Formats: sequence, C-alpha cells, structure tokens
Amino acid sequence: KAGVTQTPRYLIKTRGQQVTLSCSPISGHRSVSWYQQTPGQGLQFLFEYFSETQRNKGNFPGRFSGRQFSNSRSEMNVSTLELGDSALYLCASSRGTSGYTDTQYFGPGTRLTVL
Amino acid sequence: GEDVEQSLFLSVREGDSSVINCTYTDSSSTYLYWYKQEPGAGLQLLTYIFSNMDMKQDQRLTVLLNKKDKHLSLRIADTQTGDSAIYFCAESTDNNDMRFGAGTRLTVKP
Repeated sequence: KAGVTQTPRYLIKTRGQQVTLSCSPISGHRSVSWYQQTPGQGLQFLFEYFSETQRNKGNFPGRFSGRQFSNSRSEMNVSTLELGDSALYLCASSRGTSGYTDTQYFGPGTRLTVL
Repeated sequence: GEDVEQSLFLSVREGDSSVINCTYTDSSSTYLYWYKQEPGAGLQLLTYIFSNMDMKQDQRLTVLLNKKDKHLSLRIADTQTGDSAIYFCAESTDNNDMRFGAGTRLTVKP
C-alpha cells in the first residue's frame, strides 16, 4: 500500500510570509503527527491529530497550527515565518487507536527554507 | 537533559558489525523504535520492540533491550556502504507521545 506522502517536498519563503504543508497518511490510518527536524534541535514533536481533533501538542508557539480533514489528510500552517523556522518538517501516520501505542510511519518530509 | 540519548557518530568498515546504543529515561515507555534517515530523506522505520521483550531479530538487524538499565541497542550484521545513514532511537508511552534521540551518524568505509 502507498506510504505517507507530503507536499510540497521543497519550499522557499521569506520572513513574514506564511506557509501550508500537506500530509496524506497511509490508507486506514487516522492519526497524523507533525515533527520539526533541525540540525541544532533534532526532532521535535509539534502536534498530533486524530479524527479531525488535535489530541497532543508540543511546545511550539501559536504561529504553528494544523488541522485534519475527514479523510485524515492533514495540513500544517506556519504564519509570520522566521529564519529559525527553516527545517525539515516530517509527518507521520499511525492507526491511532486508543489503548495502545501504535507504530508511526514517516513521510519523506518537506524542506522549508526561510530567507 | 534529553530523555533519549545516543552517541553522535560511529564509523565501521564494510563487512563488520555495527552496534548503535541508546539510553532512555522514561520507565513507562511501551515501545522503542529504530529509524533510519538517509541524506535528504525522511525517516524510515527499521524495527521496533515492545518494552516487555529482551530481543528482536529481523534479518541483519538485532535489537537488544535492557529494561532495567533503560538501554537499547541496534546491531547491524555485515554492514554495507548502503547502511550509511543517521539512526534515530525513539521511545513512546501509552499516551502516544514520542521522544527521539539526536541520532547516530553511521559511516561505513569500504
């Protein structure tokens, strides 16, 4: 079956702009999590969506937001971009069934460069 | 400090075994994972182990878990140049919160 897809793969924006990234999970997966990866900070958890609701949230400012649609596809939005937002943004999908921890499968990532 | 710790670099010769180590602090961890990231790519799930297991073997990969010491290792037998990548250790708990190590860069020399 098809894996997790993310679009676009690369983005270049300037400071102050906003950006929207998209993630399509594996068919049947209802949970989508977003991560930011930077050389200095490593992988950091942004938030998780399950059944169109934000279920978990990491320690990021309100400029970072997301949503999930009824087909489980998810978008992440970053407003008022800063240079420090340059990173690889990874999306991961899982079944998300409550009661146990299921395995996350990662997409290829969107590389965002802020100039 | 970080919840999940890994050494940053490992260099081995082609054909040797590689052992990547990881320590974690959360005793309530339920699953532990190893991911591989090749240059310019996202994360690829290599293998995972339940916290009530001691060992899991999958072809050239062997995962060992010492729950008492909170120590996880990944052994790659017969390491090939294509195994050169960054390997991330990760843990998760029942609330689906995942924590990653900083990654170990494995370099395989011919």
